[in-house]
This record gives sequence, structure tokens and C-alpha cells, in this order.
Amino acid sequence: GAVVSQHPSRVICKSGTSVKIECRSLDFQATTMFWYRQFPKKSLMLMATSNEGSKATYEQGVEKDKFLINHASLTLSTLTVTSAHPEDSSFYICSARDRGRALEQYFGPGTRLTVT
Amino acid sequence: GENVEQHPSTLSVQEGDSAVIKCTYSDSASNYFPWYKQELGKGPQLIIDIRSNVGEKKDQRIAVTLNKTAKHFSLHITETQPEDSAVYFCAASLNFGNEKLTFGTGTRLTIIP
Repeated sequence: GAVVSQHPSRVICKSGTSVKIECRSLDFQATTMFWYRQFPKKSLMLMATSNEGSKATYEQGVEKDKFLINHASLTLSTLTVTSAHPEDSSFYICSARDRGRALEQYFGPGTRLTVT
Repeated sequence: GENVEQHPSTLSVQEGDSAVIKCTYSDSASNYFPWYKQELGKGPQLIIDIRSNVGEKKDQRIAVTLNKTAKHFSLHITETQPEDSAVYFCAASLNFGNEKLTFGTGTRLTIIP
């Protein structure tokens, strides 16, 4: 149980284009999903928290117009990197909190974004 | 806000020996402390967690201890195996609905066969 999937696992895009990453909870309902960014050999940096049906809460320093987050249902959240630039290249990971288990966060496998 | 420090950053142990990773936190209100294992190119996997009303929790070869007075908690892995090699992260959060996790900086554990 408690499986979270992400799609795609890897994506390469050109500067100026937009990329959408999907995060799905496969066997549970997630009232809250989190989006993280991780640089090589570094810890996870929380970008934003999203709740189903409401606007995401962004961490300080994260541009909400650049990183669009939509949490349309209890099993799906999307992160869209708009007008991507090479400095947006990173490993993006989502996590989901099970509606029935208030504290545990379960992570997806991550998406490697490379912007050329 | 919460600040979590983790030590050591790298750790090598002989297969079969024990490994201990330590974390300290700053916010005395934090009361949920999970540990995650991350393998190369993958997302973190929850391996064990502890709540502040418990001092120790064990799951087979893995145990976590919590000292609320000193604000530190530790991960203990006994009888280590090569598949235990990974990066381990500790984290802390408050026990409310949407509270976010604050992560430590990670420990790269290498098990030497």
C-alpha cells in the first residue's frame, strides 16, 4: 500500500517551453500533496504544499507563476514548470499524505528534468 | 522555523556491523520524526517513524530512539547488509494537519562487504 507514482520519470525540454509533471496516489486518497526539489547530493527542498480543491501554498523564494501547481482530485496533483530555463534542471519529487493516516508522507520516484 | 541537523554526512561500516545516524532539531513543539531511505535516482522511502509520546521504536533490524529533552533522535541499523547502502534522511514536523517536514542534510551510508 501507499504507492505514489510520478510521470514522466525523465524529461528533456528546450529553454522557454513548459513541462508538466504528474503525481498520483495509486491506492489511497491524498488530501495533501507536497512538491520538492532536490539538487545532486543535497537534501530535499520543499517548494509547495497543495490541498485538494484549493490553491497551493508556496515556500518563500519559490515563484508561484513559474511553478504552477494544481491538485484537482484526491489522487492527482500536477506541477507545471513554465518557461523553463537551464537553472530549472533538477530532480523533482512529490509526496502525498494519506487521508486516513494523518502524518506519514509517501514519496513518488521523482522526475529528472533537464532543460537545454 | 524548524532546523534539523544530521550527522555524520557519510558513514562506512563493515557488513554485519551496526550503523547509527543522529539528528537534532530546534523546535521543541515538533513531535513527529520519520526516517527515509533514498537510493540513487529514486524517491525517498519511509522506513520508520516515531512520535513524541514514544521513546523508542523497533522494526526488525531498524530502530529509532527519541530524546525529547535533548531534542535529538537517532536511527540504528543492526546486522547491516549491502542493500542497506543508500542515503538516509531524518525529518521533523509538528503533529497537525498539513504540517510540512523539515529534512536533515542526509547521511550516505556505505556497507562494505
